[in-house]
Amino acid sequence: TQLLEQSPQFLSIQEGENLTVYCNSSSVFSSLQWYRQEPGEGPVLLVTVVTGGEVKKLKRLTFQFGDARKDSSLHITAAQPGDTGLYLCAGAKGPFQGAQKLVFGQGTRLTINP
Amino acid sequence: GAVVSQHPSWVICKSGTSVKIECRSLDFQATTMFWYRQFPKQSLMLMATSNEGSKATYEQGVEKDKFLINHASLTLSTLTVTSAHPEDSSFYICSARVLGTQYFGPGTRLLVL
Repeated sequence: TQLLEQSPQFLSIQEGENLTVYCNSSSVFSSLQWYRQEPGEGPVLLVTVVTGGEVKKLKRLTFQFGDARKDSSLHITAAQPGDTGLYLCAGAKGPFQGAQKLVFGQGTRLTINP
Repeated sequence: GAVVSQHPSWVICKSGTSVKIECRSLDFQATTMFWYRQFPKQSLMLMATSNEGSKATYEQGVEKDKFLINHASLTLSTLTVTSAHPEDSSFYICSARVLGTQYFGPGTRLLVL
């Protein structure tokens, strides 16, 4: 059973289009992190959202944490070929910060075609 | 953000040998580090949590005698894959947590022949 359902798992669109990636769960997370991973490299942190309803923007990327802290979305505006990569959401679960673990979604492999 | 390094970045070994992978936090101290493995086209799977000065906590299904973890200092954790077999070939990634956020190393690609 996947604790964090990420969708879509694959997405190929044309440059300039908008897209949204979803991360859903029935569990509540104390925080949620979005990472981007290039082939052969470790994940690189994009953003951490902590508060329910929180919205963070990173240039053309908009991240939202659901009010109940069970889901999150990543919206990319005017996608560019440089946005191509594997996007991973990860929720933090645990009784307190010192004992928390990250639970990863399946990942979204995004391809932006020129 | 915080920097985590791994060494080596890739390793090829013969079946039956042991391989040690190092994970270092370069500009901060990490009492807790994590080891993940990632198969091609899949997401990260947590193998174990490495605690400085104490035994690692392994996830269900991960053999602690096969994947030996040592966290001897606040900046270094090591993962030793003992008696490696071809099915252990994978991408191993460590991470360290600072101020509630996990930062990942660049990964180590292991190929067991």
